[in-house]
Amino acid sequence: DAGVTQSPTHLIKTRGQQVTLRCSPKSGHDTVSWYQQALGQGPQFIFQYYEEEERQRGNFPDRFSGHQFPNYSSELNVNALLLGDSALYLCASSIRDRDYEQYFGPGTRLTVT
Amino acid sequence: AQSVAQPEDQVNVAEGNPLTVKCTYSVSGNPYLFWYVQYPNRGLQFLLKYITGDNLVKGSYGFEAEFNKSQTSFHLKKPSALVSDSALYFCAVSDPITGTASKLTFGTGTRLQVTL
Repeated sequence: DAGVTQSPTHLIKTRGQQVTLRCSPKSGHDTVSWYQQALGQGPQFIFQYYEEEERQRGNFPDRFSGHQFPNYSSELNVNALLLGDSALYLCASSIRDRDYEQYFGPGTRLTVT
Repeated sequence: AQSVAQPEDQVNVAEGNPLTVKCTYSVSGNPYLFWYVQYPNRGLQFLLKYITGDNLVKGSYGFEAEFNKSQTSFHLKKPSALVSDSALYFCAVSDPITGTASKLTFGTGTRLQVTL
C-alpha cells in the first residue's frame, strides 16, 4: 500500500518564477492538505482540497494556489516566487470523515535564489 | 486563534532513561492534539493523537502522551529511550469547534538527542 508521494524531491527556482509541486494521496484517501515548513520552524497550513475544491485556507497570499484532480491527486502552485518561499512543502492526505488524521509525504524542498 | 508551544528546543537523555517532551496549547474549545516525529530529510510520521476519552494516549514505538486540560498540556513520554528515537518532534493542535479540525497548528519542534 503506497503512502503519500510527492514530486519532485528537490527544486531550485529563481525569484519571480512560478513552480508547481505534485502530491498523490495515500490509497483510499480523498482529502489533501498542503503545509509549508520553513527552516527551523514547524509546518504551517496552506490549504486543503476535497472534492476538487479548496475547503480551508491558512494565512498565505493568493500567489499560492492549488488544484485537486478527480483521482484525488493535487498540485500546489506558487507564482512570483520570493526568497522567503524557500521551504519544505509537505502534502498530507486523509479521509474526509477523519480529516484530522493526516498522513504526510516526504516533502518537496524548494530553494528560491 | 489556536497555538502550540514547545518550550524546549532540545532535550538530551541517556539511552534507557525515561524521556519527556513538553507541549502546551491554546484553543477556544476542546482540542484535538497530535504528536509527529520527523527524521532528517523525511516527512512527518504520526505518533499518536488525543481526540476524546482516556487522558493517557498510547501510540507508536512505545510513546505515550497525557492530556491535561487544567494545565493545557500534552507532554510526550517514553519509559525507556532508544538512540533511534533521536529526531525532531512536533506537537500539533486543531480545534473541532470552529470547524477546522483538519487545520493543524504545529509547534516549532523539539530536537530529542538520545546518547549511549
